[in-house]
Amino acid sequence: EPEVTQTPSHQVTQMGQEVILRCVPISNHLYFYWYRQILGQKVEFLVSFYNNEISEKSEIFDDQFSVERPDGSNFTLKIRSTKLEDSAMYFCASIFGLTGSSIQYFGAGTRLSVL
Amino acid sequence: GENVEQHPSTLSVQEGDSAVIKCTYSDSASNYFPWYKQELGKRPQLIIDIRSNVGEKKDQRIAVTLNKTAKHFSLHITETQPEDSAVYFCAASSPGGGADGLTFGKGTHLIIQP
Repeated sequence: EPEVTQTPSHQVTQMGQEVILRCVPISNHLYFYWYRQILGQKVEFLVSFYNNEISEKSEIFDDQFSVERPDGSNFTLKIRSTKLEDSAMYFCASIFGLTGSSIQYFGAGTRLSVL
Repeated sequence: GENVEQHPSTLSVQEGDSAVIKCTYSDSASNYFPWYKQELGKRPQLIIDIRSNVGEKKDQRIAVTLNKTAKHFSLHITETQPEDSAVYFCAASSPGGGADGLTFGKGTHLIIQP
């Protein structure tokens, strides 16, 4: 069964550093998402992406965050200057979208630890 | 924006008994309601979903009911087994288009007592 893959599984960084989290969505999917989950809390929507542009973003997704689809397979989340409170699990998800199916398939996540 | 409330935060049931988790949502435009199961340290996995044109959906031991008038939906697990132990999240969004992210509830930690 096709899967959303994310790398790395764990990223440790110093406060103020830039990080890039990488995702490879399922190959024929058209919509891509980033979510974060702070330890012990609920999953929170960050941003959705379609046709090489942001479709929707939450208030969490401020100017420190950006997303990109640099090639035909990767979908990245960049945090420009990490803060302690950015420490969380970041999940990428994707859906096919055109048939009206809304089932979002999640990757295994990247645990970001900001020291 | 949408707000999803989920109860209870922790639910402990005896193996073989039923478990019910309830969610309410605020945005009457929401019409897609998935349930995800998340085991410790793993990704959320979709276990069942329902759309607003349906009042109930069942898949083996798992069922979801939706009351659009009251804006609440529930997950029912019958004949619970140890492997059902996990955190369960309800969510809401508008289907189609794909732009809308899911709004999740805070999760229910389901504990199955042997």
